[in-house]
Amino acid sequence: QVQLVESGGGVVQPGRSLRLSCAASGFTFSRHGMHWVRQAPGKGLEWVALIWYDGSNKYYADSVEGRFTISRDSSKNTLYLQMDSLRAEDTAVYYCAREHKDFIATSAFDYWGLGTLVTVSS
Amino acid sequence: DSQMTQSPSSLSASVGDRVTITCRTSQTITTYLNWYQQKPGKAPKLLIYAASSLESGVPSRFSGSGSGTDFTLTINSLQPEDFATYYCQQTFSTPFTFGGGTKVEIK
Repeated sequence: QVQLVESGGGVVQPGRSLRLSCAASGFTFSRHGMHWVRQAPGKGLEWVALIWYDGSNKYYADSVEGRFTISRDSSKNTLYLQMDSLRAEDTAVYYCAREHKDFIATSAFDYWGLGTLVTVSS
Repeated sequence: DSQMTQSPSSLSASVGDRVTITCRTSQTITTYLNWYQQKPGKAPKLLIYAASSLESGVPSRFSGSGSGTDFTLTINSLQPEDFATYYCQQTFSTPFTFGGGTKVEIK
């Protein structure tokens, strides 16, 4: 069965960096686009970033453009989110999610991980 | 960016009620509209994709409709396990924005 497991969250000071990982299993990772979505405490969902199935294209929310980098390693079936210059407003649960349709990047998010909490605080 | 306006932001309903949630977008998105259910402390769950297609395993009491800029999620005969927060999302173009959510509570 499809599984997505995030890791790498924690408490970090403003201005510092953190790298999140999402280990995928149960499907052909290299066929699906992947996303990061975050949810601040008590707030709604915010899409963060997308990487195409082959890694050839990447897209970001304006709020993280230039500070966050999404990447993937299909040999390890793992998705990453490198977060630099972190701010208090980046505090959230970060979810990785899979594109519903293979080889497409505009369908829906059909599988989600349990999320990893990132807290940016001094 | 396509702004998503979801309404109402919350509602109270009883088991067996029919519930309707609407989502309006600031730009036309044809049918690139999805609906998710989220329960406290859990990840979102896909219910409806492409405006009206029921995700595998989702009960048929959930249905979606609409195209262009106006969309609706309907829950027929609300069940106890349906009390949750519901989000719409557009995947027509990045950024893939979500609506603000509708919290469905027990009356």
